[in-house]
Amino acid sequence: KQEVTQIPAALSVPEGENLVLNCSFTDSAIYNLQWFRQDPGKGLTSLLLIQSSQREQTSGRLNASLDKSSGRSTLYIAASQPGDSATYLCAVAPSQGGSEKLVFGKGTKLTVNP
Amino acid sequence: GAGVSQSPSNKVTEKGKDVELRCDPISGHTALYWYRQSLGQGLEFLIYFQGNSAPDKSGLPSDRFSAERTGGSVSTLTIQRTQQEDSAVYLCASSQTGISGYTFGSGTRLTVV
Repeated sequence: KQEVTQIPAALSVPEGENLVLNCSFTDSAIYNLQWFRQDPGKGLTSLLLIQSSQREQTSGRLNASLDKSSGRSTLYIAASQPGDSATYLCAVAPSQGGSEKLVFGKGTKLTVNP
Repeated sequence: GAGVSQSPSNKVTEKGKDVELRCDPISGHTALYWYRQSLGQGLEFLIYFQGNSAPDKSGLPSDRFSAERTGGSVSTLTIQRTQQEDSAVYLCASSQTGISGYTFGSGTRLTVV
């Protein structure tokens, strides 16, 4: 059974700092990995999608990497801003079972202090 | 529409009552998912619809939960005889194909009192 773990559970940093959020998964047989952002009381916003054949994806100040063999992904946020404060969720689409339902980590709650 | 639409955004119901939650996916998206997020917990998969295939119901927590998707578009999640532990945010997502990423709605916050 696929399990996704995110470390740390919470992170507080001063504005302007570069930071890394970690995600690990137990089964390397995945279709893709996706990073989401969730603001309080809101749904999920997709940030980056990495296919299993890819190593990284970039969007603006965000860079996500994927090392499938070791079961790890990182989300790098450059020059953090208070508006980046949110919970960041990592999710994998397992390739086993014939269904593409995502398995989520519990998230990292990020606070960027002005 | 431009995104996934869920209604209602908030629902308060009495224990024992039935509730219906609605999800209107992005037009043309063949896959539709329901997830549940309890306070302080991760997202829990409930059910998955893909085209005309039989849905994957493996995540439904009990037989009080059911879902249907009419005409390959709108989906309704029904919870019968609600219990307090059903209180959560229910999120719907759709995708064109699983490998192209998921778009989530804003969710329905269900409170059972």
